[in-house]
Amino acid sequence: QQPVQSPQAVILREGEDAVINCSSSKALYSVHWYRQKHGEAPVFLMILLKGGEQKGHEKISASFNEKKQQSSLYLTASQLSYSGTYFCGTYSMNYGGSQGNLIFGKGTKLSVKP
Amino acid sequence: DGGITQSPKYLFRKEGQNVTLSCEQNLNHDAMYWYRQDPGQGLRLIYYSQIVNDFQKGDIAEGYSVSREKKESFPLTVTSAQKNPTAFYLCASSMLGGNNEQFFGPGTRLTVL
Repeated sequence: QQPVQSPQAVILREGEDAVINCSSSKALYSVHWYRQKHGEAPVFLMILLKGGEQKGHEKISASFNEKKQQSSLYLTASQLSYSGTYFCGTYSMNYGGSQGNLIFGKGTKLSVKP
Repeated sequence: DGGITQSPKYLFRKEGQNVTLSCEQNLNHDAMYWYRQDPGQGLRLIYYSQIVNDFQKGDIAEGYSVSREKKESFPLTVTSAQKNPTAFYLCASSMLGGNNEQFFGPGTRLTVL
């Protein structure tokens, strides 16, 4: 089941903040966040794991609400370099651990203007 | 330098021809993946492999085939049975498990004329 991202697109001025949301209909083991610039490969930002552990860039902030099966990515004091498409990916839970594969959302396009 | 490479970056083929996309990694990762990306669709999984000589279908495997004869290599063949092959194809690799990030190659843009 593909996670749902919102908003689909957002336009910011430099210095403004944004929140990108990712929600799933299934219980989650982990949520991954990636950023992709046009024509390039996605770049890893962060992993949030069931139980509260996080792995990723120090400057990126995100949350994971296990009960609501939701994650949010927080982009503060945005810079021009933050522009790109942000994807969340989810691993679903099964008894004893993760299962299946990373399923990506459709992405949120972020544009930061001067 | 460790990383994952794909070649070529751009590929043009005539309709009805099979074409093979290359993916190589030197990260010593067990798992490798192929994704297809279309505008507005995100990344959709075609095939994945967690061990040499074994691979599994993803969500959109029809019209594609793969092999995993070496740990470092996971080539994807787009066959003539794939009805709409024009897309951006991304290869990725990772350590096993849902707590490990995937590393992506630069991608191959395939255009079928």
